[in-house]
Amino acid sequence: QSVLTQPPSVSAAPGQKVTISCSGSSSNIGNNYVSWYQQLPGTAPKLLIYDNNKRPSGIPDRFSGSKSGTSATLGITGLQTGDEADYYCGTWDSSLSAEVFGGGTKLTVL
Amino acid sequence: EVQLVESGGGLVKPGGSLRLSCAASGFTFSSYSMNWVRQAPGKGLEWVSSISSSSSYIYYADSVKGRFTISRDNAKNSLYLQMNSLRAEDTAVYYCARRGMDVWGQGTTVTVSS
Repeated sequence: QSVLTQPPSVSAAPGQKVTISCSGSSSNIGNNYVSWYQQLPGTAPKLLIYDNNKRPSGIPDRFSGSKSGTSATLGITGLQTGDEADYYCGTWDSSLSAEVFGGGTKLTVL
Repeated sequence: EVQLVESGGGLVKPGGSLRLSCAASGFTFSSYSMNWVRQAPGKGLEWVSSISSSSSYIYYADSVKGRFTISRDNAKNSLYLQMNSLRAEDTAVYYCARRGMDVWGQGTTVTVSS
């Protein structure tokens, strides 16, 4: 059971928009920055969003992040088949003194 | 090019030991805290351990506390994970990642089986 809760799967058609939620508590999301990672099949995770809503260099603005209270959301617009991947949220948990991840969400672009 | 390359994975029997290494290049290794993250087959990401730039602060997941030891050698630009008393549930791909998880290695596979 992951400390952060994500939906197991989401799907949408090419060109559409999808959002992935990440729910936590005051000891993690509520008081720390959230990051989002994309893991394409058979590859290492890749940082998509850091500090709740910032994009590393090279990440297209189709990817966005937001945070409200103890929840965070990843948004992806203009879906492409190449976006099919597993997406994870992550943050520091101050009570556990540990980095925590969500269970991951599999995105299917129909 | 900023790069992390893990090595040292393999097949080990339950109760055995293994030492993973992560070689860093393309950035000032001594300025960054580092992490180990693992992923069991077909499962999600699990943070294992973190170490600060000067090794002053070290953290472990409860699942490995007392069995795993993280360390680093800034002169050699290298991060290590000493894994003792290995269990079947430690079977995973082990990744090293830079502070902020902004750079990841390709991973090294550890299989614990008799």
